[in-house]
Amino acid sequence: EDKVVQSPLSLVVHEGDTVTLNCSYEVTNFRSLLWYKQEKKAPTFLFMLTSSGIEKKSGRLSSILDKKELFSILNITATQTGDSAVYLCAVGLNTGNQFYFGTGTSLTVIP
Amino acid sequence: GAVVSQHPSRVICKSGTSVKIECRSLDFQATTMFWYRQFPKQSLMLMATSNEGSKATYEQGVEKDKFLINHASLTLSTLTVTSAHPEDSSFYICSARDSGRDEETQYFGPGTRLLVL
Repeated sequence: EDKVVQSPLSLVVHEGDTVTLNCSYEVTNFRSLLWYKQEKKAPTFLFMLTSSGIEKKSGRLSSILDKKELFSILNITATQTGDSAVYLCAVGLNTGNQFYFGTGTSLTVIP
Repeated sequence: GAVVSQHPSRVICKSGTSVKIECRSLDFQATTMFWYRQFPKQSLMLMATSNEGSKATYEQGVEKDKFLINHASLTLSTLTVTSAHPEDSSFYICSARDSGRDEETQYFGPGTRLLVL
């Protein structure tokens, strides 16, 4: 059975801290891994990763994929209260158009 | 660009009634749309893949007669929750892939919160 697991489930940090969120997967026919940020409503796209070892960066956020060890990390440096959200990773397979979402990590950044 | 809308944003209905939720891609064509369900403090659960002009593909455990999906055009997919019951209360989100681009990014709608009394 295909599986996407995120850790930790929740995290509370102070503004300015750096956080690392993990996403591990066990799927057949892996194609891509996507990271999303979900605040009150629908998720917003952050990154898509298809190749190992290539870091994707956007401001204070960065992400990298390890296809050998089957995981990805999302880093957020100098966290701000606006980073508080649930971060979701999703894995796409070669066998179809579907994406399967992980459990999510709830991040709370306190002033 | 790449905006997806959902209507209604919130609906309250009585048990036994049917509710239709629309998902539209506003500025792109989408041959494939996805329907997800999300319970409070839980992740998105893929319910089905909606394919324009053909039958939807349902995930295991999702009743196709309960959750009717129609993808009649390149910009519209509908999800009808038939004979809704309180346990169907949830947050329903659709997403769409841009058929005109060779990319996998899904664009999400704002979601529909369904409450069945």
